[in-house]
Amino acid sequence: DGGITQSPKYLFRKEGQNVTLSCEQNLNHDAMYWYRQDPGQGLRLIYYSQIVNDFQKGDIAEGYSVSREKKESFPLTVTSAQKNPTAFYLCATTDRAGQPQHFGDGTRLSIL
Amino acid sequence: RKEVEQDPGPFNVPEGATVAFNCTYSNSASQSFFWYRQDCRKEPKLLMSVYSSGNEDGRFTAQLNRASQYISLLIRDSKLSDSATYLCVVKTTGNQFYFGTGTSLTVIP
Repeated sequence: DGGITQSPKYLFRKEGQNVTLSCEQNLNHDAMYWYRQDPGQGLRLIYYSQIVNDFQKGDIAEGYSVSREKKESFPLTVTSAQKNPTAFYLCATTDRAGQPQHFGDGTRLSIL
Repeated sequence: RKEVEQDPGPFNVPEGATVAFNCTYSNSASQSFFWYRQDCRKEPKLLMSVYSSGNEDGRFTAQLNRASQYISLLIRDSKLSDSATYLCVVKTTGNQFYFGTGTSLTVIP
């Protein structure tokens, strides 16, 4: 989706390793979200942030961490505590008026 | 109970057919409603918002029934390019969005 850049597109994690997924946006949106999608399943919320320097846990936050130091950026770290990290990770943004979310094109994470 | 429930399908319909998808939501305080389309191994893309009075965008019609907590999407004159998974999305207070698991549609020549 225009204005939201996720990188890398594909990522491989070794046992015991932390990896960080990048999400950058130039839409000037306040709210940013991280979702995980497993095959044949819906999107599940990991973390979200409504404003810089503030974020909240979603439904499946265990094993993940985030930061929101800048409005444009909301990186997600998948820690070694996340035992089943293989999934499609999607970053989304929305403005505070509650308009629809816009998505980046995702990162596919696999374990080696 | 899930926040949003959809029939996963799959729906296999011939070109030119009309197909309808339904979705129910559990939180009566939900504020906004959307249909997204997701192609295989891609990100979801907004198809249309759903308004209380119902709304149409070309071959697509969305309806909302707040009393029954029910949302629908109707696709007329199906095209091969309509083949995708359709996600029902509900926004609650607090700016949180809840996604259905999606309904798979395949349009057959």
